[in-house]
Amino acid sequence: KNQVEQSPQSLIILEGKNCTLQCNYTVSPFSNLRWYKQDTGRGPVSLTIMTFSENTKSNGRYTATLDADTKQSSLHITASQLSDSASYICVVSAATSGTYKYIFGTGTRLKVLA
Amino acid sequence: NAGVTQTPKFRILKIGQSMTLQCAQDMNHNYMYWYRQDPGMGLKLIYYSVGAGITDKGEVPNGYNVSRSTTEDFPLRLELAAPSQTSVYFCASSYGAGRGYDEQFFGPGTRLTVL
Repeated sequence: KNQVEQSPQSLIILEGKNCTLQCNYTVSPFSNLRWYKQDTGRGPVSLTIMTFSENTKSNGRYTATLDADTKQSSLHITASQLSDSASYICVVSAATSGTYKYIFGTGTRLKVLA
Repeated sequence: NAGVTQTPKFRILKIGQSMTLQCAQDMNHNYMYWYRQDPGMGLKLIYYSVGAGITDKGEVPNGYNVSRSTTEDFPLRLELAAPSQTSVYFCASSYGAGRGYDEQFFGPGTRLTVL
């Protein structure tokens, strides 16, 4: 069964600190993995996409990693800001019978405190 | 560009009532999607469309209907609302499927409560 699991479920950190969010998946055949940021009351917005051959990709203070062998990805946030408070969702795309399916994780809710 | 817009933002329905959730996009995207997001759960695909006149079921289509008469609009119809349909509904669009690489752009969501 295709699944995407994220940890931790929630996280509280102080402004300026770093944090790492985890995503483990059992999706086959794997196409790509995308991290979204979802602010409260809004729709998800894409942060970065990782393909099978990519190990690391950065988008400002956000750095995503992918280990396709262990089927794990992480999202590292550097020097956190209050505006980073949001849910972060890992989405894995699977290729099935000529179409593509998106499997969503349940998200990690991050709270950054001043 | 307004991107993906959804109306209404909030709605309370009584059991058995019907309603239509509106979704529109102005990015000339071919693909459109409807998802529901339940508390503590990942988004689940209800229906999707690959172009005007073409729709297909997702994971959780029961109790819903869709139509796609234009590229821009993709309304979701709830018939005979049930408490199990209480959720936040997101509409999304993408240019194509792009072998799964195309970014999905999401609307702000509609929070629906069925009492």
